[in-house]
Amino acid sequence: NAGVTQTPKFQVLKTGQSMTLQCAQDMNHEYMSWYRQDPGMGLRLIHYSVGAGITDQGEVPNGYNVSRSTTEDFPLRLLSAAPSQTSVYFCASSSLGQNTEAFFGQGTRLTVV
Amino acid sequence: GDSVTQMEGPVTLSEEAFLTINCTYTATGYPSLFWYVQYPGEGLQLLLKATKADDKGSNKGFEATYRKETTSFHLEKGSVQVSDSAVYFCALSDPAGGTSYGKLTFGQGTILTVHP
Repeated sequence: NAGVTQTPKFQVLKTGQSMTLQCAQDMNHEYMSWYRQDPGMGLRLIHYSVGAGITDQGEVPNGYNVSRSTTEDFPLRLLSAAPSQTSVYFCASSSLGQNTEAFFGQGTRLTVV
Repeated sequence: GDSVTQMEGPVTLSEEAFLTINCTYTATGYPSLFWYVQYPGEGLQLLLKATKADDKGSNKGFEATYRKETTSFHLEKGSVQVSDSAVYFCALSDPAGGTSYGKLTFGQGTILTVHP
């Protein structure tokens, strides 16, 4: 039972570099989302998707792009990394519905120097 | 907009002590409420949930009651164990806020450390 798989687990980038954080789920969930976790601030929503071909911005979308070409995959792209993007990133998936459980990946710890 | 406020941490307890982590919320409609737990080095996982007023969610000895009159969802456990050491997040899902189903709004998290 893979659930939600994120790669890589750790990454160090230089300012200005770009990279893609990968996220895949095998539960056929319609809803997928990306959060960043910063000390004292909980999890903040970056982008989300309610199905293949449909994405929308969350609370803190600047500096990030997403796409959803398949139900399974939801990559997060950092266009030009900045130190302010140093954080732990979590991908989550769930069925559509108010009461459904969200399943989280193990996270990617990103450091931008 | 929607928001969730948790008690300030960290919280440090001895084994078998009583635990309360306070959570209050602001929402446009009638949200569902959740507690998620994050063990060291892992992602979040659902601990319990409640979907309407006066519902009580429970799991692994933890309980929380949805109180609409006080807009609260406090987490309690009668006797904590060392293995309960983790970060606890209160969250809500509120489709009446104009967002799609499945979107969660989180509190800032409370670090719990339990000593033997």
